[in-house]
Amino acid sequence: EAQVTQNPRYLITVTGKKLTVTCSQNMNHEYMSWYRQDPGLGLRQIYYSMNVEVTDKGDVPEGYKVSRKEKRNFPLILESPSPNQTSLYFCASSRYMAGRNTGELFFGEGSRLTVL
Amino acid sequence: EDQVTQSPEALRLQEGESSSLNCSYTVSGLRGLFWYRQDPGKGPEFLFTLYSAGEEKEKERLKATLTKKESFLHITAPKPEDSATYLCAVQARDYKLSFGAGTTVTVRA
Repeated sequence: EAQVTQNPRYLITVTGKKLTVTCSQNMNHEYMSWYRQDPGLGLRQIYYSMNVEVTDKGDVPEGYKVSRKEKRNFPLILESPSPNQTSLYFCASSRYMAGRNTGELFFGEGSRLTVL
Repeated sequence: EDQVTQSPEALRLQEGESSSLNCSYTVSGLRGLFWYRQDPGKGPEFLFTLYSAGEEKEKERLKATLTKKESFLHITAPKPEDSATYLCAVQARDYKLSFGAGTTVTVRA
């Protein structure tokens, strides 16, 4: 079954304690992306990756890091979480069409993060 | 700056009561407009892609249409299982994807 798997699904942590949210896809997609979803603001892109070892900032990258060492995995790292990073996070992937990512994204189930 | 605005924010319907959701957009060079469905506690699920004005796509009780400034998602004779948040997104010339905040639809039996 084609899927994007995120872990953990729920996490409560404290300010400053480093954490990693993992993301893995089994569709051999080149493009992967992280979004955060906040009420009234919609989905905002944090970082994206066009392929292995190729990553770039989205609209709200401050306080986050990513890496893409393998095609299937795209972890999101919060080096020193703060309360304003409390949010619902989604990992997504898409195939390429004509050499570029499409807007037809496959999303994971989401990771709800609370930073106290 | 690309902008996507969805209205209304919330829509309550009686089962069988047809209605439409609006997605208005401004974008630099539209590559595609996308509709997603999101159930509570789940990730968005892709529904449709529209590429050019005049295009229409259908899936069961849902029909998406596109003009040069907006898209509509028509829900015909909705059922309670159509209750969800519907998201609209546009892809610009530079392949950047921008999402609207969504319309939450509740269908009562």
